[in-house]
Amino acid sequence: DAGVIQSPRHEVTEMGQEVTLRCKPISGHDYLFWYRQTMMRGLELLIYFNNNVPIDDSGMPEDRFSAKMPNASFSTLKIQPSEPRDSAVYFCASSPTGPRGELFFGEGSRLTVL
Amino acid sequence: EDQVTQSPEALRLQEGESSSLNCSYTVSGLRGLFWYRQDPGKGPEFLFTLYSAGEEKEKERLKATLTKKESFLHITAPKPEDSATYLCAVPANQAGTALIFGKGTTLSVSS
Repeated sequence: DAGVIQSPRHEVTEMGQEVTLRCKPISGHDYLFWYRQTMMRGLELLIYFNNNVPIDDSGMPEDRFSAKMPNASFSTLKIQPSEPRDSAVYFCASSPTGPRGELFFGEGSRLTVL
Repeated sequence: EDQVTQSPEALRLQEGESSSLNCSYTVSGLRGLFWYRQDPGKGPEFLFTLYSAGEEKEKERLKATLTKKESFLHITAPKPEDSATYLCAVPANQAGTALIFGKGTTLSVSS
């Protein structure tokens, strides 16, 4: 079975540009999570969805970040405009059991903002 | 504030040299403690969940244990392929919130 699929794997962009990260969760998983990982702060939750509905977005840094889940098999995380401090690895994860259960992570999207 | 602290940050072992990684937490009313393994350039991969003090789980050379304040990941006779970053995570106190992760321990095992 395919795992969580993220794209792009690497993105290099200039400050001020729009960035869109994409995620396809494991089929049948009702929960989808976006995490961000940096050396300084570790792995931090940005937002999670249940049945395509955002449940907790308290980790979204500011209005420059937005996330959508138009259907059960696709989600996007958008940053507009991007800033150098947004440079990080962004992980998408899905789960069949909820926010307190086992998470299945994708391989991540490494973002570098110059 | 709910916190998860892992120590040491980095650990270097010789092949066959057993050791332990620590994860301490301040979340009250623990509702599970999770251990993940993360290889370079990859996403974290689930290892164990522990739910109550005294519980132990094993997988190959790894054994996870849980007390009321901390968890240990014991590595017995490690091999180079055990080299990875090990993350622990707990659910936050607030209902409906997701896992809080520690910053991890990076283990390097040399032959």
